[in-house]
Amino acid sequence: DTGVSQDPRHKITKRGQNVTFRCDPISEHNRLYWYRQTLGQGPEFLTYFQNEAQLEKSRLLSDRFSAERPKGSFSTLEIQRTEQGDSAMYLCASSPLGVFGNEQFFGPGTRLTVL
Amino acid sequence: QQQVKQSPQSLIVQKGGISIINCAYENTAFDYFPWYQQFPGKGPALLIAIRPDVSEKKEGRFTISFNKSAKQFSLHIMDSQPGDSATYFCAARDSNYQLIWGAGTKLIIKP
Repeated sequence: DTGVSQDPRHKITKRGQNVTFRCDPISEHNRLYWYRQTLGQGPEFLTYFQNEAQLEKSRLLSDRFSAERPKGSFSTLEIQRTEQGDSAMYLCASSPLGVFGNEQFFGPGTRLTVL
Repeated sequence: QQQVKQSPQSLIVQKGGISIINCAYENTAFDYFPWYQQFPGKGPALLIAIRPDVSEKKEGRFTISFNKSAKQFSLHIMDSQPGDSATYFCAARDSNYQLIWGAGTKLIIKP
């Protein structure tokens, strides 16, 4: 399977705990995106990387959120001191570098439940 | 100005009918308009996309109609099938190559 993969698929945690999610993009895709999606809504952009550089962060991304893509391949998204409002589906997408198209290929998501 | 407004919120269509979902935008700098299909528990998947220099694009049963002057675009699903039942999102790409998403339309095809 050469698609975008995410791990874990589901995460249940208690409020105040830290969680970390992993995304493996399609190989050779330079761009990697993180989104958050709540029920009945479209994905909300969180941040994106071009290779290992984090180029943009949404104002939605509070100080408790941090993302890395250390070698320009996989990425991790960490949420510290989780709150109930963090419960959502966290989606990762990747796309090749190019002016046109910008087709983003999404992974299956990680569903986070904060109790 | 960064919003993409999508309607309807939900849609029920008989099998074999035409499903139509509409989106409108304000930012004339948007330069790429994809539609994504999402099934429950899955990530969105690109269905079809269009650039603003084209008024229509067709792929199989799926057609995007694009009206640049009205800043509107729509998805038409011909001969709708129960397997098309999903949530559909329109989106638009801004000058920073970021996608701005509509709120989604839940489509149900009744057999």
